[in-house]
Amino acid sequence: DAKTTQPPSMDCAEGRAANLPCNHSTISGNEYVYWYRQIHSQGPQYIIHGLKNNETNEMASLIITEDRKSSTLILPHATLRDTAVYYCIVRVPWNTDKLIFGTGTRLQVFP
Amino acid sequence: DAMVIQNPRYQVTQFGKPVTLSCSQTLNHNVMYWYQQKSSQAPKLLFHYYDKDFNNEADTPDNFQSRRPNTSFCFLDIRSPGLGDAAMYLCATSRPGQGVKTQYFGPGTRLLVL
Repeated sequence: DAKTTQPPSMDCAEGRAANLPCNHSTISGNEYVYWYRQIHSQGPQYIIHGLKNNETNEMASLIITEDRKSSTLILPHATLRDTAVYYCIVRVPWNTDKLIFGTGTRLQVFP
Repeated sequence: DAMVIQNPRYQVTQFGKPVTLSCSQTLNHNVMYWYQQKSSQAPKLLFHYYDKDFNNEADTPDNFQSRRPNTSFCFLDIRSPGLGDAAMYLCATSRPGQGVKTQYFGPGTRLLVL
């Protein structure tokens, strides 16, 4: 699985969009980009995934660059409950093996 | 609601005293995972079961064992806990054959070793 690079921390005002970047320059053609988040003292929670097209669900949007070497997770209207560590992971989807978590980005949403 | 359940949420044990953490799931998933997460670190996989097939990570200490008596339950046994084993232990599940899989995590058990 390819390695990822994320900023260690970010702040966002409540109600504003939170844009969390991730670099994955060594991603291979069959690897997907996954995002999970972990709220304090809880287990990680799946957010969204994508291969090369932009994706949107009820939680977030995922924008993947055309060369697939980076992506951005967008929380359109951040709330205080979105304060968490956000992990960007790239992996082959049919692999039942481990998720390799990087250091993640600690997002702090403030009032 | 289908979910991954971990009991207890907090466990205190003594140095060297065996301890068992439990995980159950109502998702009927084939694969169950155990991750260890130390303070301010990312989760790290210890091992996983694909049905009854056990897959150990190369760097998981022998002190950590696991049992999966049926599809729904999986246990993590720490034979002789050391102070360095204090951590959050996370159980997760997934189901192969769906093309794109996600892992579903339980709330974790926080282990304190005295």
